[in-house]
Amino acid sequence: GESVGLHLPTLSVQEGDNSIINCAYSNSASDYFIWYKQESGKGPQFIIDIRSNMDKRQGQRVTVLLNKTVKHLSLQIAATQPGDSAVYFCAEKPSGTYKYIFGTGTRLKVLA
Amino acid sequence: DTGVSQDPRHKITKRGQNVTFRCDPISEHNRLYWYRQTLGQGPEFLTYFQNEAQLEKSRLLSDRFSAERPKGSFSTLEIQRTEQGDSAMYLCASSLEGVNQPQHFGDGTRLSIL
Repeated sequence: GESVGLHLPTLSVQEGDNSIINCAYSNSASDYFIWYKQESGKGPQFIIDIRSNMDKRQGQRVTVLLNKTVKHLSLQIAATQPGDSAVYFCAEKPSGTYKYIFGTGTRLKVLA
Repeated sequence: DTGVSQDPRHKITKRGQNVTFRCDPISEHNRLYWYRQTLGQGPEFLTYFQNEAQLEKSRLLSDRFSAERPKGSFSTLEIQRTEQGDSAMYLCASSLEGVNQPQHFGDGTRLSIL
């Protein structure tokens, strides 16, 4: 299948290590943020979301951190597995709209 | 599978032809969205429906593009007089009604213009 993100920033991590993927968002009025995982030939898959009145949210093996002061979002993946290899996108939703604005993706490569 | 379904998965056509894509959202989702994604980029918003009403359109959606959701369930996206620059992945997403509901995406239709 086709490759998503041929020239994206790449993060390579050893299997079992923790991964941190960063994202700078653009709109200080955004009130909702989501991380998506996209595998080649597939659509974005929801991982975790966070509202602007929070600064941290945890899921299963994943944690999202939001720093509104510097408009920064991060995704932490614990004990990274080969199945985590994909392109990861952050998305922001400006207040008062329903459209998402996607950031530049990051390719995560998990090394065995 | 109760996820968002898109058809066809791939479409190859000659420049100047019209194409139509279909999206079936998750059944209880009132909101439906279309995005376009080119290689190496994140998805870009095209348009959004609340039930059958088209409530927001991007300026990316030129007059050659039209989207409908006539009964508030499935949606179609038509591109008339296709151009080389229309080659992309067209993604559909749906969500529940309410503030800050996550959008769930289908696997897209890959359009290639010859």
